[in-house]
Amino acid sequence: NAGVTQTPKFQVLKTGQSMTLQCAQDMNHNSMYWYRQDPGMGLRLIYYSASEGTTDKGEVPNGYNVSRLNKREFSLRLESAAPSQTSVYFCASSASDTNTIYFGEGSWLTVV
Amino acid sequence: RKEVEQDPGPFNVPEGATVAFNCTYSNSASQSFFWYRQDCRKEPKLLMSVYSSGNEDGRFTAQLNRASQYISLLIRDSKLSDSATYLCVVDPRGYALNFGKGTSLLVTP
Repeated sequence: NAGVTQTPKFQVLKTGQSMTLQCAQDMNHNSMYWYRQDPGMGLRLIYYSASEGTTDKGEVPNGYNVSRLNKREFSLRLESAAPSQTSVYFCASSASDTNTIYFGEGSWLTVV
Repeated sequence: RKEVEQDPGPFNVPEGATVAFNCTYSNSASQSFFWYRQDCRKEPKLLMSVYSSGNEDGRFTAQLNRASQYISLLIRDSKLSDSATYLCVVDPRGYALNFGKGTSLLVTP
């Protein structure tokens, strides 16, 4: 079972470049999330989408935009990458009635 | 201020030992509680939910203390494979889960 799939797994960007992280889930979940994880900071919520067509800011949304393209897909865009955005990014999803969250394998992003 | 606090550790224990982690949360309205496990350079995965009456899954026992606003995880008969970071997760709002920073456990031979 695929679960939550995110791409790319590794990416190196130059400061100022833009890129989009893609995420798709095949579990028919309503809710989807983007987190970043940094050493000593733990997981921090960037944006989430409670259902198709809605998105909300999380704890650290600055510098990011998201699109909930359909129920399956939730993308994260960095318009002008900065070194402070070097991190591991996790996409996740959950069903509305359980709150159990399933993560993708992560995307390692380095901005130089 | 983080809503969920954990002792980061590391906890270094020998194989066969019993180890316990605590996690405190600030929002008394919190309804859902979980423990997740994260291996090095991997994604977090659900270890177990935490129920009001406490629950057990093999060597793992989770407890909830609403009065003092903390949850705990007890691991008995530790195995080398238990070495990981354990994340406490609290969900007061139904949408965005609050994750603790994690407690690192290293089980040594």
